[in-house]
Amino acid sequence: GENVEQHPSTLSVQEGDSAVIKCTYSDSASNYFPWYKQELGKRPQLIIDIRSNVGEKKDQRIAVTLNKTAKHFSLHITETQPEDSAVYFCAASTVAGSYQLTFGKGTKLSVIP
Amino acid sequence: NAGVMQNPRHLVRRRGQEARLRCSPMKGHSHVYWYRQLPEEGLKFMVYLQKENIIDESGMPKERFSAEFPKEGPSILRIQQVVRGDSAAYFCASSREIQTNYGYTFGSGTRLTVV
Repeated sequence: GENVEQHPSTLSVQEGDSAVIKCTYSDSASNYFPWYKQELGKRPQLIIDIRSNVGEKKDQRIAVTLNKTAKHFSLHITETQPEDSAVYFCAASTVAGSYQLTFGKGTKLSVIP
Repeated sequence: NAGVMQNPRHLVRRRGQEARLRCSPMKGHSHVYWYRQLPEEGLKFMVYLQKENIIDESGMPKERFSAEFPKEGPSILRIQQVVRGDSAAYFCASSREIQTNYGYTFGSGTRLTVV
């Protein structure tokens, strides 16, 4: 089955700096890669996603890049703000069981004012 | 238009008791997905149900766990004879059609604590 590795597990940045979180996946058939943000005690919320026919996608201060050959994808947050502090999860799914997301273990991002 | 509703939000059970977690899908949705999040971990798929049918339960432990989604009423995730290792947050999501390549909108979750 699919295996998703996520790094780093914790990340501290100064407010205004950029943050990058990286994930690798094992199943070359995976074609959908969402990112979720989870604040303490709350539900994971989808913040951005990318499909395998696209190499990069942006939404204001966040962007995701995908390298299918290397089987890795990354989340980039620019001009970080204290409210970006949360745990971020990457995930992957395949066509065959596309309702079945495989999640990484998460990155705890702390933005220091 | 209410989102996915889960209750209870918090549930405390003693070892050996039963836990029942409820998930009411969004209006018009007939597909439900349950995920479990252990402490300090990502979410893990448990089971996918349609009304009155279990489609895929490959992520659910073989013993003590069961799920149903009756014709009327919410989907229920049942854990019998709970153990400390069952302590986790349980999230569900729903969709109108089979969820293919779209991000889930999860409910607020049920946080189960086994003491």
